[in-house]
Amino acid sequence: ETGVTQSPTHLIKTRGQQVTLRCSSQSGHNTVSWYQQALGQGPQFIFQYYREEENGRGNFPPRFSGLQFPNYSSELNVNALELDDSALYLCASSLRGGEFGYTFGSGTRLTVV
Amino acid sequence: AQTVTQSQPEMSVQEAETVTLSCTYDTSESDYYLFWYKQPPSRQMILVIRQEAYKQQNATENRFSVNFQKAAKSFSLKISDSQLGDAAMYFCAYRNTGTASKLTFGTGTRLQVTL
Repeated sequence: ETGVTQSPTHLIKTRGQQVTLRCSSQSGHNTVSWYQQALGQGPQFIFQYYREEENGRGNFPPRFSGLQFPNYSSELNVNALELDDSALYLCASSLRGGEFGYTFGSGTRLTVV
Repeated sequence: AQTVTQSQPEMSVQEAETVTLSCTYDTSESDYYLFWYKQPPSRQMILVIRQEAYKQQNATENRFSVNFQKAAKSFSLKISDSQLGDAAMYFCAYRNTGTASKLTFGTGTRLQVTL
């Protein structure tokens, strides 16, 4: 049973650029959620995808968007990067309801300069 | 909106001793789930223990147990026989029910384990 894999592990971008982060969900999991974890903070929910559709969104602007593919893998896209977007981005997969918990990846550390 | 509060930014415990991490939450729902996650320097969130709000019995996983007080909206984690490998950030998280479920995390408690 494979876990959640995220790529890349680290990334440096310039303010105003666009970035795409990738996530492969755990085998058997059909739901993917993305979280933003600023330094010294707990993760904040960005959005969730189920059956290739957005199924819940946190308090993030539209420049944060995502995709889920038929194999349940997912992408997080951020346009017009701002300095405050610097954070650890965590992907979590689960079965539909997530009642038994979520499996997290090791995250992508994004630095915006 | 639900909120989760962890009032202890840092805790320290000696190896083999017991430590309790505190967590309180605010919600108007009666059915929900609570979790404790561990985040070591590797950054990956690891599920430690989960509690279903409709179950009065406190969850236990080996050396880890919780004290769930639903009326007080309190969900503390007790780690017994602490080990060096327990050193990490610990996050308390709340999961709402419904189709668009999400986790709401606290700000975390950094646990140090000393010899």
